[in-house]
Amino acid sequence: GENVGLHLPTLSVQEGDNSIINCAYSNSASDYFIWYKQESGKGPQFIIDIRSNMDKRQGQRVTVLLNKTVKHLSLQIAATQPGDSAVYFCAESVFSGTYKYIFGTGTRLKVLA
Amino acid sequence: DVKVTQSSRYLVKRTGEKVFLECVQDMDHENMFWYRQDPGLGLRLIYFSYDVKMKEKGDIPEGYSVSREKKERFSLILESASTNQTSMYLCASSQLAGNYNKQFFGPGTRLTVL
Repeated sequence: GENVGLHLPTLSVQEGDNSIINCAYSNSASDYFIWYKQESGKGPQFIIDIRSNMDKRQGQRVTVLLNKTVKHLSLQIAATQPGDSAVYFCAESVFSGTYKYIFGTGTRLKVLA
Repeated sequence: DVKVTQSSRYLVKRTGEKVFLECVQDMDHENMFWYRQDPGLGLRLIYFSYDVKMKEKGDIPEGYSVSREKKERFSLILESASTNQTSMYLCASSQLAGNYNKQFFGPGTRLTVL
């Protein structure tokens, strides 16, 4: 939505290049992660998820990598397109009496023509 | 595709007013959630519901209440709006409870409290 990106790191990528967006998560016990895409004025849109028993998962043009050793998650977008311009954020599922998500603050991806 | 709709995209209210934000999902999901989203912060959970008439507090429930009278509808209520409740409010729903619940979001309501 508007103003969600005021304090966000920005990644600028040339159209057609690959993009890599990173996320550090906080809880070593987290075993499920989601990447969301949020375009300006819209709600977050599910992109891809991964469980902790996997290191890598691929979707259409997107790949998520999980490194549990350093608590790091990355989203790779192949052949970045103008329509990929958005804020991307990760979410980790944590158990605190019940399962909840901790959401990252996000990275703004700008695709340069 | 899951469709989550929110009653208003933009709302302007005055301090002290009672505010209702409505959310409807059309996929028969059991679980619904209300978040707020502020610059520089991740989404923060206000309230959630795992079933009709059930509600549980999230991380920041103060100043809010919710209502789930029907499975498809989850309302967020600001009993007496204050300026620090100016924010983007996002509703989400999911089919599964517990872990691995993939949440689908509505378009958001940007609320301004004057």
